[in-house]
Amino acid sequence: GENVEQHPSTLSVQEGDSAVIKCTYSDSASNYFPWYKQELGKRPQLIIDIRSNVGEKKDQRIAVTLNKTAKHFSLHITETQPEDSAVYFCAANPVEYGNKLVFGAGTILRVKS
Amino acid sequence: DAGVIQSPRHEVTEMGQEVTLRCKPISGHNSLFWYRQTMMRGLELLIYFNNNVPIDDSGMPEDRFSAKMPNASFSTLKIQPSEPRDSAVYFCASSIGLTGGEQYFGPGTRLTVT
Repeated sequence: GENVEQHPSTLSVQEGDSAVIKCTYSDSASNYFPWYKQELGKRPQLIIDIRSNVGEKKDQRIAVTLNKTAKHFSLHITETQPEDSAVYFCAANPVEYGNKLVFGAGTILRVKS
Repeated sequence: DAGVIQSPRHEVTEMGQEVTLRCKPISGHNSLFWYRQTMMRGLELLIYFNNNVPIDDSGMPEDRFSAKMPNASFSTLKIQPSEPRDSAVYFCASSIGLTGGEQYFGPGTRLTVT
């Protein structure tokens, strides 16, 4: 089955700097890769996603890149702000399992002001 | 739309008691997911339904856990008997479509088993 690994487990950056979180997946048939943000005590919420026919997608300060050959994808946050502090989860959708998502272990991002 | 609704929001129970968690998905969504979140194990998928039919229950930890979806607007996750190691936040999520789409999470139920 699909396995998603996420690194780093914690990341601390200075306000205004960039943050990068990386994930690898094992199932080459996976074709949908979302990123969720979870603030303390809240529910996970989708912040950006990418499908396998696209190599990069950007939404304001957030971007995701996908390398299908290497089976890895990354989240890039530029000009980080204190409100970006949260846990970020990557996920992959193994297509043979309908719309099931397999989540990474999460990255705790701390933005220091 | 009110989003995914879960009840109760908090549950404290004693070991051995039966616990029932409830979920109402977003109207029109045809997939429903139950997750468990702990510090140690992260976000685990327990079971998911498509069109009210269980598709994958491989994440259900043991026979003490059961889930039902009697209709498109309601699902339950039951633990009987409960144990302290079941303490976690349980999320319900729903989505639309058959492959690869956004999952909308409910607010979660924080379960504490003493």
